[in-house]
Amino acid sequence: DAGITQSPRHKVTETGTPVTLRCHQTENHRYMYWYRQDPGHGLRLIHYSYGVKDTDKGEVSDGYSVSRSKTEDFLLTLESATSSQTSVYFCAISESGQGTDTQYFGPGTRLTVL
Amino acid sequence: AQSVTQLGSHVSVSEGALVLLRCNYSSSVPPYLFWYVQYPNQGLQLLLKYTSAATLVKGINGFEAEFKKSETSFHLTKPSAHMSDAAEYFCAVSDNTNAGKSTFGDGTTLTVKP
Repeated sequence: DAGITQSPRHKVTETGTPVTLRCHQTENHRYMYWYRQDPGHGLRLIHYSYGVKDTDKGEVSDGYSVSRSKTEDFLLTLESATSSQTSVYFCAISESGQGTDTQYFGPGTRLTVL
Repeated sequence: AQSVTQLGSHVSVSEGALVLLRCNYSSSVPPYLFWYVQYPNQGLQLLLKYTSAATLVKGINGFEAEFKKSETSFHLTKPSAHMSDAAEYFCAVSDNTNAGKSTFGDGTTLTVKP
C-alpha cells in the first residue's frame, strides 16, 4: 500500500470555526490532490499541488485553501467552516502528473460541520 | 473538457452471476481510463486502467474492461460475482493535458446477493 495518512480521521466542528486537514505521504510523489466525496457526486477535486509551494484550484475550491511547504505534507484549510462542507475528504498522490498515472488515495477524513 | 457517466447508481447481482458496470466518457483528446474500487470506510484503490495499449484490460480480482472508442465506453465486467466484490466502483478519465487530474463518475454501488 502507498504510504498515505490523513489526520484527523474524524472531526466534528461548529459553523464558523477554522479547520485544517493534513495529508502526509512517504512516497516522495510530486503531485498531491484533495477531493471531497458526497453521495451522488462521486469525487470532486478541491485543490491540487504539483510541487512544494505550487498549488492550483480544482472544480470546487471556494471556501478552501491549501499549502504545501514540504514534499510530504499537503494541508487543506477551511477558513470558516459551513454546513455545506460536511463531507468525506480524500487526499491522493501521483508520481508525475501524467495522464496515465495511478492516483493513490488516503483513508479519508470524515468532517461534520454543525 | 472531460466527463464520465456511470449508468446505474446501484447494481445488484447474485453470487456467481455476471457483473457489468457501465461507464461512458467524453474527452476532446485521447483519454486514459480508470476503474477504482472503494470498500466501506476506505479510500479508493485502482482496479485497472487503460493507457492506449491493449483495448482489453485485465485488472485485479478477476475484473476486466474493454475500451471501445466508437462507443466511447469503458465498461467493467467480471464473469462470476463474489460476495467480497460488494463495494462502490468509480470510473475516471484523464489525459496528458491536465496535470494528471482525473474526472470521476458518480459511482456505482454493487450489491452481491447470496
